[in-house]
Formats: sequence, C-alpha cells, structure tokens
Amino acid sequence: AQSVTQLGSHVSVSEGALVLLRCNYSSSVPPYLFWYVQYPNQGLQLLLKYTSAATLVKGINGFEAEFKKSETSFHLTKPSAHMSDAAEYFCASDTDKLIFGTGTRLQVFP
Amino acid sequence: DAEITQSPRHKITETGRQVTLACHQTWNHNNMFWYRQDLGHGLRLIHYSYGVQDTNKGEVSDGYSVSRSNTEDLPLTLESAASSQTSVYFCASRGGPNTGELFFGEGSRLTVL
Repeated sequence: AQSVTQLGSHVSVSEGALVLLRCNYSSSVPPYLFWYVQYPNQGLQLLLKYTSAATLVKGINGFEAEFKKSETSFHLTKPSAHMSDAAEYFCASDTDKLIFGTGTRLQVFP
Repeated sequence: DAEITQSPRHKITETGRQVTLACHQTWNHNNMFWYRQDLGHGLRLIHYSYGVQDTNKGEVSDGYSVSRSNTEDLPLTLESAASSQTSVYFCASRGGPNTGELFFGEGSRLTVL
C-alpha cells in the first residue's frame, strides 16, 4: 500500500542554518513525489516535485530535494533558513491518488 | 485567471444536521479531491473523482458523500454531521494522474457543536 512518513512533527532552526525535513515513502511502484508548503490560514502550495527525471530536484524559495530509491527517501533541504520559511511542510506521494504525510512544522528563530 | 474556490469558508452547525461544502474550479480539471486536515494527522483523503459521474472513496470516507455532475464542481456532503467531523476541509484539483501540481482551495473550517 502507498504511504508517506515524515519524521519529526516539529523542526526548529536558527536563521541562516541548514534546513532538513525528512520524508520516506512506501509504494509498490515508483511514485511521483512532492513537497508542499502551507502558510497559516492558507491552502497548500507546491514547492517541488520529482517525476523520475533528475534525482535532485530544485524548487521555489531555494529548497531542493533528492530522490534516493535505495533509501526510499525524498528529504527536503535548504542551505540557509530564512524567517519567512516558517510554515508547515507536507511530503506527498502520487501513484493513482495523492497521499500526504502528517506534516512537519518548521520554526525559524532569529 | 483560473482558480479553485470553496464555500463557505467558515461554518458552524449542530450535530445531526446535513452540511454541504462547495468546491468549484475553472481549470477544466478532470481530477478533484477532498481532504480534511487535523492536527497530528496531516491531510487525509475523503473522496476523489476522476471525471463526471466518477467518485471514489478515500481513506476516511465514512459519513461523507460527493457527486460529480459536471467538470467544475465536486460538492462534499455530510449527511448527519458529528463532532468528530469538526475540521478544516480542502478541495483540490489537477489535470490528471501524475500530471504534477495539485491546486488547492483556501479551505473551509467546519465546526460541529
């Protein structure tokens, strides 16, 4: 069965520090993978997507993610956190329908 | 500009009442989805549709129904609202499977007293 696991419901970093949000997927077939961001009181916006082309995917706002089939992972990173990155981040897997992880809330401290 | 809109944005109702949340998209997308978002659970799929007259159950479909009579709309109905259905509901659409981005509405916050 298709599933997505996000490790860590909360992540806190200092402004300028590396951001690492973890996502592991489970699927019987290679899925398409996505990261979405949700700012307070808003819907979700696409950050980036993996669709079986390049394994390193670059998204908006300086975020990127690397697809590692051997580890069934699709972790999201950003070299230097900004205060405006504070939000909730969702990893999602798509075979026939889009399934989301439980989300990771990112806090950025000055 | 094409968009996806949900209404109402906020609703308070009583246990046992029927409630319908509207979702309307102007992209002419075939795929439409309803999710509920609850703390600690992320987004859970309620129902989805791949086209007119097509509806499918998601992982938390009990107590909910949808109908797809045209491409633009996928209303979500709670036949008899329960307090456990207090949540934020999001509608989303896309062109087709594996086409990439899912476009989300701004959400409908439902409180069942």
